[in-house]
Amino acid sequence: RKEVEQDPGPFNVPEGATVAFNCTYSNSASQSFFWYRQDCRKEPKLLMSVYSSGNEDGRFTAQLNRASQYISLLIRDSKLSDSATYLCVVILYGNKLVFGAGTILRVKS
Amino acid sequence: GAVVSQHPSWVICKSGTSVKIECRSLDFQATTMFWYRQFPKQSLMLMATSNEGSKATYEQGVEKDKFLINHASLTLSTLTVTSAHPEDSSFYICSAQGRYRSNYGYTFGSGTRLTVV
Repeated sequence: RKEVEQDPGPFNVPEGATVAFNCTYSNSASQSFFWYRQDCRKEPKLLMSVYSSGNEDGRFTAQLNRASQYISLLIRDSKLSDSATYLCVVILYGNKLVFGAGTILRVKS
Repeated sequence: GAVVSQHPSWVICKSGTSVKIECRSLDFQATTMFWYRQFPKQSLMLMATSNEGSKATYEQGVEKDKFLINHASLTLSTLTVTSAHPEDSSFYICSAQGRYRSNYGYTFGSGTRLTVV
C-alpha cells in the first residue's frame, strides 16, 4: 500500500465551482501534513499546512482527520489559475516529505 | 522568502556521460538537503537525504555509486548522475531545509529536467 494515496483525477470543473480533493495516509505516526501545488514542469509550491482543527486560507480550506488518516482540500469559487496538480504531503519521520502522486485539477471557462 | 537556486534547468547528455546538478541556498543555511526524482505522471520520490558535512543517506533502491551527492557547505549541495543512461531521464529536484528567519520550512529548487540520449 502506498504511504500517501490520492485520486489522480483529472477533475474538470467550470469556473466558480467548488471542488474537493481527498488524501489518505497509511502511517498513523505521521507528524505533519501539507498540500502543495505543482504546475506542469515546475517545482512544488507550498499551498497550506493542514491541522486537526481545520484551517482556511481565502478560498482554500484544509481538514485533517487523524482517526481516519484522511486529509482533504476544498477549493471554492475555482479560478482558471487554480488549474494544477495538487499534492498531498506527509512528514513521517526524520523530516522527510512523502508525496502523494497528485490530483490534477482543470478549471475551464 | 527563502530561495534555492538549482542549475541547470534542463540538460541533454549522451549515454555514458556524467551530469552534475547544483542546488544553492541563497539567503539561508541549508542544514539538510533532500534530492527527489519525478518521472512523468508520477509522484516525487525521495532519492537521498544529506546533512552538511556528512555522507548522504540513500533510499532503498537508489544506487549511491551512481547518484553521488555532496553537501560540503551549508549553502551548496550537488547531485552527480554518473554514467547516465536513458532510463535516468527524469525531473530532478532538490529541497533544502534550514533556518530562515524563524521558519524551518522546506524550500524547493526549480528542478532540472535531464534527458539522456
